[in-house]
Amino acid sequence: DTGVSQDPRHKITKRGQNVTFRCDPISEHNRLYWYRQTLGQGPEFLTYFQNEAQLEKSRLLSDRFSAERPKGSFSTLEIQRTEQGDSAMYLCASSMGGTVRSPLHFGNGTRLTVT
Amino acid sequence: KNEVEQSPQNLTAQEGEFITINCSYSVGISALHWLQQHPGGGIVSLFMLSSGKKKHGRLIATINIQEKHSSLHITASHPRDSAVYICAVNTGTASKLTFGTGTRLQVTL
Repeated sequence: DTGVSQDPRHKITKRGQNVTFRCDPISEHNRLYWYRQTLGQGPEFLTYFQNEAQLEKSRLLSDRFSAERPKGSFSTLEIQRTEQGDSAMYLCASSMGGTVRSPLHFGNGTRLTVT
Repeated sequence: KNEVEQSPQNLTAQEGEFITINCSYSVGISALHWLQQHPGGGIVSLFMLSSGKKKHGRLIATINIQEKHSSLHITASHPRDSAVYICAVNTGTASKLTFGTGTRLQVTL
């Protein structure tokens, strides 16, 4: 078990470009979460999957954001037409479904800088 | 007002001191988490609790459901404890968390 891994660790992009991040959860975890964290703030929920189904999306997730988990394993988060306000740390976490008390395991995040 | 409030926002302590970080929440919860975040972003889960008290090494977490309050204590603090400590709560049916803004702890020699 290598934990939750995220790729890339850092991404610098120009405003208007599209970016895609990948998250590989712990293999037996069926729930996967995306959070966004800006400087000095706690993470904010973006969306979560149970297996391949996207069960909830935050209103923070504008139309420019899309997340997928096609086979119920890894997930991708795409941001289209990036804006400077998208600059943040994007965190992925996974957990075992079936109980609300299953602890979350976080990846190290992808830090996005939009110039 | 945030649903999860932490205090203090910043804390500096000398090695060996006993440290307390507080968390108050305003919503009904099913569980409360204490997490540790080091520079670079990685988050580690320290505790998940829904009642009473838990202890792991030098760390102790308590929760009072009636008062909607939790505390994280660190005994015999050490510079390696320097990190941001975040309180988060489960408010729904899944493991989606609502986070506090964190307490930045710096332990000096």
